[in-house]
Amino acid sequence: NAGVTQTPKFQVLKTGQSMTLQCAQDMNHNSMYWYRQDPGMGLRLIYYSASEGTTDKGEVPNGYNVSRLNKREFSLRLESAAPSQTSVYFCALGRGAKTGELFFGEGSRLTVL
Amino acid sequence: GDSVTQMEGPVTLSEEAFLTINCTYTATGYPSLFWYVQYPGEGLQLLLKATKADDKGSNKGFEATYRKETTSFHLEKGSVQVSDSAVYFCALSDLPGNQFYFGTGTSLTVIP
Repeated sequence: NAGVTQTPKFQVLKTGQSMTLQCAQDMNHNSMYWYRQDPGMGLRLIYYSASEGTTDKGEVPNGYNVSRLNKREFSLRLESAAPSQTSVYFCALGRGAKTGELFFGEGSRLTVL
Repeated sequence: GDSVTQMEGPVTLSEEAFLTINCTYTATGYPSLFWYVQYPGEGLQLLLKATKADDKGSNKGFEATYRKETTSFHLEKGSVQVSDSAVYFCALSDLPGNQFYFGTGTSLTVIP
């Protein structure tokens, strides 16, 4: 997973706390994505960014905000964490072309108590 | 909308057995199709892909053929190894927006 760095790798929050997951890339890809992975649900898209300064909602955006201030970084913010947001979060990169693959980070495991 | 349906697991096989994991899709356009693999504690990695009908993707002994007539992209391997134990995800990407859609994943365990 070289080229995609996610921080933190593990986090425990209490209900109502806020936090930001960071994703940084050195692969110069235009598109960046945030997914969550839950047992039996596969990967679900939270938000994506086709290019610097643009963001769009995915399948499950409620309770999250994102920011793409530059090409390298795409952050995911939980303003008021809920137990339902306990999950493993993955950042991914894409070239922005239909035939291109996604490159995934190693994931961030978040537990909300 | 676009979606992917794949065979539910878990799947347990003996070493050298034949593997098939079924995947079907629904898409409004002409998607590209992918199989990703996730080893324990890691992110997903691309296993193989096919970008148009009748294309066959292959890698590490795994194969999958893009069948437009049956909207399928089944993953096969003739002889699995213990090291193939992982979770396998079928996925598609389509325009506009280059969004990717993933199946729910199939857990494979290969026993010696």
